[in-house]
Amino acid sequence: SQTIHQWPATLVQPVGSPLSLECTVEGTSNPNLYWYRQAAGRGLQLLFYSVGIGQISSEVPQNLSASRPQDRQFILSSKKLLLSDSGFYLCAWSGQGKGYGYTFGSGTRLTVV
Amino acid sequence: GDSVTQMEGPVTLSEEAFLTINCTYTATGYPSLFWYVQYPGEGLQLLLKATKADDKGSNKGFEATYRKETTSFHLEKGSVQVSDSAVYFCALFRGSTLGRLYFGRGTQLTVWP
Repeated sequence: SQTIHQWPATLVQPVGSPLSLECTVEGTSNPNLYWYRQAAGRGLQLLFYSVGIGQISSEVPQNLSASRPQDRQFILSSKKLLLSDSGFYLCAWSGQGKGYGYTFGSGTRLTVV
Repeated sequence: GDSVTQMEGPVTLSEEAFLTINCTYTATGYPSLFWYVQYPGEGLQLLLKATKADDKGSNKGFEATYRKETTSFHLEKGSVQVSDSAVYFCALFRGSTLGRLYFGRGTQLTVWP
């Protein structure tokens, strides 16, 4: 069966520090991968998606970047965190075809102080 | 473009009350429709889905029917429990190579004993 792992679960980082969040998927190949952010009390904002190794699309201009160095690995990064980067970050994967929907990781709570 | 409109929350109910959370969508073609649930501090979990008109998705006592004529996918449960307290997201999924999930803003449900 397919599983998705996301870490760390919580993170407290000072303003200006770098960030690296990792997400890996097991049990499937060539998944579509997604990074979402959920600010406190708000809905879900799609940040990045990827349909293959090295293929990254950005939904919104921001302080973050994403990379996909391997088929089932998706990394969210920042060189210098801002206070506004605080939030709940969710990784997700989907197969092809409209019936799949997404499977989400358990999320990373990031607090920038 | 594609979008999902979800009733504003929060929704507060007593245990065993009837629940309805309204969801309507705008999309071309024939999207798939989903309900996701997010328990406090966790990622999103798929609750139920429907992939074509008149399909009824159901899970854990929750139901939703894909109504193309009214472009709706309302979530219902006949008797809610305290453990149903969570945020519920309606979502629309369209696309083949890249499946994009369009989320509603989420509805907070609190059930009191």
